[in-house]
Amino acid sequence: EAQVTQNPRYLITVTGKKLTVTCSQNMNHEYMSWYRQDPGLGLRQIYYSMNVEVTDKGDVPEGYKVSRKEKRNFPLILESPSPNQTSLYFCASGFLGSDTQYFGPGTRLTVL
Amino acid sequence: QKEVEQNSGPLSVPEGAIASLNCTYSDRGSQSFFWYRQYSGKSPELIMFIYSNGDKEDGRFTAQLNKASQYVSLLIRDSQPSDSATYLCAVTTTDYGGSQGNLIFGKGTKLSVKP
Repeated sequence: EAQVTQNPRYLITVTGKKLTVTCSQNMNHEYMSWYRQDPGLGLRQIYYSMNVEVTDKGDVPEGYKVSRKEKRNFPLILESPSPNQTSLYFCASGFLGSDTQYFGPGTRLTVL
Repeated sequence: QKEVEQNSGPLSVPEGAIASLNCTYSDRGSQSFFWYRQYSGKSPELIMFIYSNGDKEDGRFTAQLNKASQYVSLLIRDSQPSDSATYLCAVTTTDYGGSQGNLIFGKGTKLSVKP
């Protein structure tokens, strides 16, 4: 089944404890992206990647890192999480030049 | 700062009516325009995209774009209770395909279709 998977789906952590949210797609998509969604602020892009080893900042990249070493994976790294990073995170992927992005199921992160 | 503005709603329409959702954007260089639907607790899903001025129809959905006015809208004809969701407008400055580059989303309009 073609899909975008994210792990974990739910995570409660404490300030400063490094964490990684994984994103994987099995559709051979070149493009992958991370978003966060907050009440009243909507969906905001964090980072995106056009292909392996190519990443770019979105609108809210501060406090996040990404890497794209393999085509199928695009992990989101929070080196030192803070409470203002408590949010719902979505990963998405799509073919370059395509109109459609396929979103993962979301990861709900709480930083205490 | 690129911005995409939408009325947050909620927009309430009776079943069978036309729902009209509006979106304005600030970046005149914007090239591609998208409407996503997000049910409560679910991921966004693409329902329409439009690149050129004018109307684009797909089933009960019509997207309308006016680049001079920096305005894009979504009409839903014969609205059904199953259309009740939050609708997100998204814009990118890339000139082909929404999967490339920086996608800016509006905050979304919550639509409620009453039986």
